[in-house]
Amino acid sequence: GAVVSQHPSWVICKSGTSVKIECRSLDFQATTMFWYRQFPKQSLMLMATSNEGSKATYEQGVEKDKFLINHASLTLSTLTVTSAHPEDSSFYICSAGTSGRGANGYTFGSGTRLTVV
Amino acid sequence: DQQVKQNSPSLSVQEGRISILNCDYTNSMFDYFLWYKKYPAEGPTFLISISSIKDKNEDGRFTVFLNKSAKHLSLHIVPSQPGDSAVYFCAASKGGGADGLTFGKGTHLIIQP
Repeated sequence: GAVVSQHPSWVICKSGTSVKIECRSLDFQATTMFWYRQFPKQSLMLMATSNEGSKATYEQGVEKDKFLINHASLTLSTLTVTSAHPEDSSFYICSAGTSGRGANGYTFGSGTRLTVV
Repeated sequence: DQQVKQNSPSLSVQEGRISILNCDYTNSMFDYFLWYKKYPAEGPTFLISISSIKDKNEDGRFTVFLNKSAKHLSLHIVPSQPGDSAVYFCAASKGGGADGLTFGKGTHLIIQP
């Protein structure tokens, strides 16, 4: 089955530094990747949609200059949290799939727990 | 504004009985609904889905019911097993999912022996 690998699984960083999270599709080509964020006791919220080779589309309220998304290949997308602050502490998770497939065709990574101190 | 609502943060069910998880939505543009199961420190795993043109979809022990007029769906698990203990998320999409998913807050299902 489709496997999506997300790294790191957890990271602690100092306020003001940047953190990069990787999302890789291991056995399929992911033309589309979604990035979600989940705060404690809240639902997963869609942050942005990235299609391979094009700029990411960000949801309303998500700062594109703060959350840099790169989807340069069909197997890798990265989310960089720039100048991280404690309020950015959250659970970040990606899902990857091939455009044209239904929503159930997308596979989630295992998520990244980011703590900014 | 929460477009997908799971009003029960937790649910406790005895092993062997039926588990019923509920989900309500407000956006009439949603046309595809999914249920995911999630364990701690793991990503959500797809369980079952239903298109808005149907009112029922069954897969083994899992059945999803959709009531479009009430904007309500439910997931039935029968019989419930200890391994079913997890957080269950209801999600909805427009256009078949090409635009990403809108999730509920999840329901923590606890199966008691």
